[in-house]
Amino acid sequence: QVTLKESGPVLVKPTETLTLTCTVSGFSLSNTKMGVSWIRQPPGKALEWLAHIFSNDEKSYSTSLKNRLTISKDTSRSQVVLRMTNMGPVDTATYYCARTYFFGAGSHAPSNFDYWGQGTPVTVSS
Amino acid sequence: DIQMTQSPSFLSASVGDRVTITCRASQRIDKYLNWYQQKPGKAPKLLIYGASTLQSGVPLRISGGGSGTDFTLTISTLQSDDFATYYCQESFSTSHTFGQGTTVEIQ
Repeated sequence: QVTLKESGPVLVKPTETLTLTCTVSGFSLSNTKMGVSWIRQPPGKALEWLAHIFSNDEKSYSTSLKNRLTISKDTSRSQVVLRMTNMGPVDTATYYCARTYFFGAGSHAPSNFDYWGQGTPVTVSS
Repeated sequence: DIQMTQSPSFLSASVGDRVTITCRASQRIDKYLNWYQQKPGKAPKLLIYGASTLQSGVPLRISGGGSGTDFTLTISTLQSDDFATYYCQESFSTSHTFGQGTTVEIQ
């Protein structure tokens, strides 16, 4: 059974750094057909993809947020960590981690987010 | 970045109706298009991937189509469980852009 669970602070102050952890089970972070993404959703708004980490530790980031984001993983602990610096009120959102599944073949294989965590709400306020 | 535009943003319908949601990409994305359903307070759920392949467990009344820049999600006979917000998402680029969402409400 595949599960993902986010953990981290509910409240952060402006300018602080947010650190979120995604603990996964039911699959390995070393599986070459899988990775983990972070996605967020401000209240009442659409989903926004943030970052992804591949099994080979290759990373990709949102173009607009790449200067503030760092994603990493600890395969032995089945955890993926997202850090976002210089938090502001506009970063208030529910943050989800999701499994990225590559269902095609080749270097440009299509992917989907087939399993999601329940999400963790983060409010940025002083 | 690729832009994904859904229409309509809101849709009012009744149980039993046939409903179609459209998603348009700002550039060609072949069939690198996924659809998700989200209910209030819940995580999104994958419905369709590769533009037209139904995820396991998703009812057959839901279907997807299209390629290139124009895609559709169709619910053939709307059920009460289908009232939710639907998002398209491209996996052609490394930005994995989502559409702005389409909320299907009870008429």
